[in-house]
Formats: sequence, structure tokens, C-alpha cells
Amino acid sequence: GIQVEQSPPDLILQEGANSTLRCNFSDSVNNLQWFHQNPWGQLINLFYIPSGTKQNGRLSATTVATERYSLLYISSSQTTDSGVYFCAVEGFSGGYNKLIFGAGTRLAVHP
Amino acid sequence: EAGVTQFPSHSVIEKGQTVTLRCDPISGHDNLYWYRRVMGKEIKFLLHFVKESKQDESGMPNNRFLAERTGGTYSTLKVQPAELEDSGVYFCASSSRAFVYEQYFGPGTRLTVT
Repeated sequence: GIQVEQSPPDLILQEGANSTLRCNFSDSVNNLQWFHQNPWGQLINLFYIPSGTKQNGRLSATTVATERYSLLYISSSQTTDSGVYFCAVEGFSGGYNKLIFGAGTRLAVHP
Repeated sequence: EAGVTQFPSHSVIEKGQTVTLRCDPISGHDNLYWYRRVMGKEIKFLLHFVKESKQDESGMPNNRFLAERTGGTYSTLKVQPAELEDSGVYFCASSSRAFVYEQYFGPGTRLTVT
């Protein structure tokens, strides 16, 4: 099945710094999403981005489907950006399409 | 509109005991999914309900796990008997259509088996 790898596994930033999170996937996909799990455990869908670039405030994401990777950019980071960022792709497994997640990047933003 | 809710938020049980997790999807969502994240690893799919029927249970780890969705509303996930390796965070998600990119996730239940 499809493998999803995220890097780095952990990231520590000072408030105001920029960062780039990477997601590599092992096969062609129809769908890719980025999620943020905040410190209260809630999983928030940030981007649905099977290809191209999208921006939402200080966050932007780019997926290069032909090269099987996606990047999540966080600019001018804030303490509220802390949490775990997951990349998930739609893969076919067990006879059905389903979301396949990476292991996440744990981000800590310090004031 | 209320989001996906899960209960309890945290459960600590001893090995061999039984635990039941509950998920209330967004009202009107026919599709309900269970996932879990174990030991800081990736979030893994467990199963998918369409209304009260199990559409896909290919991710269920073994027969100690039993999921139900009577009446097609809320769902329960029972672990019996619990083992140490079952510790983790169990997420529930729901969607109105069976598109994987339209799932709304709940806050998760953190299960600790000691």
C-alpha cells in the first residue's frame, strides 16, 4: 500500500520564525490533505491539496504530484501553531479508498 | 451545528478490562469512521460505517475490537479484553458523503491501558 513519510518528526521554533514541513508519498494519489492537531486534541483540516498551491493566511501548501511530495509552509509562527501536523493521502487498501496518514510533525512554538 | 463528539475524552483501564468508546457524528452524516493513533505513530484507519452497516472493517486489528452503530446514529467501539498495545488515541470522523476528503474529526479519546 501507499507509504506516507513526514519530516522532520519534531520541530522547535521561536515565535515569528518560518518553517517548512514535508510529506513524501510512495505512489500516485487523488487526494492529499494537511491536518493540524491542536493541543486540545482536535484534528483540523487545513488544506485539501491534491496538486498545486493554496494559501490561507500565514499557512500555505504546495503539492507536486508528479514528484510525490507536498510541503506545508508556516510563516511568522505563533504559539497557537503548536501541535502535530499530519499529512494524509487517499489510498486504495482493503478494497476501498481510505485516508492514509503519515506519523506527523510535532511543532512547538516558543514565545 | 455541533461537531463530532467523543466520550470519554480520556480513559485509564487495567489490562484485561473492557472499555467502550462512544462517537456521536454530525447530525445527518451517514458515514462514520474510526481511526487510532498508537505510540505517536501514524493515524490508522479502523473501519467505516454507512448508516448502520459496516462498509469497510479492514483496519480492525483483531477480534478484541467490536464496533457497532445501531440505528445509524452514534457508534461505540468496545475493546475486550484490553491489552497494553491498545493504548493510544482513538479518533472518530463523519461525513455526509463517502468522500474521504470530506471527513470531520472528533477530538479523540485517549486510552491508556496499564
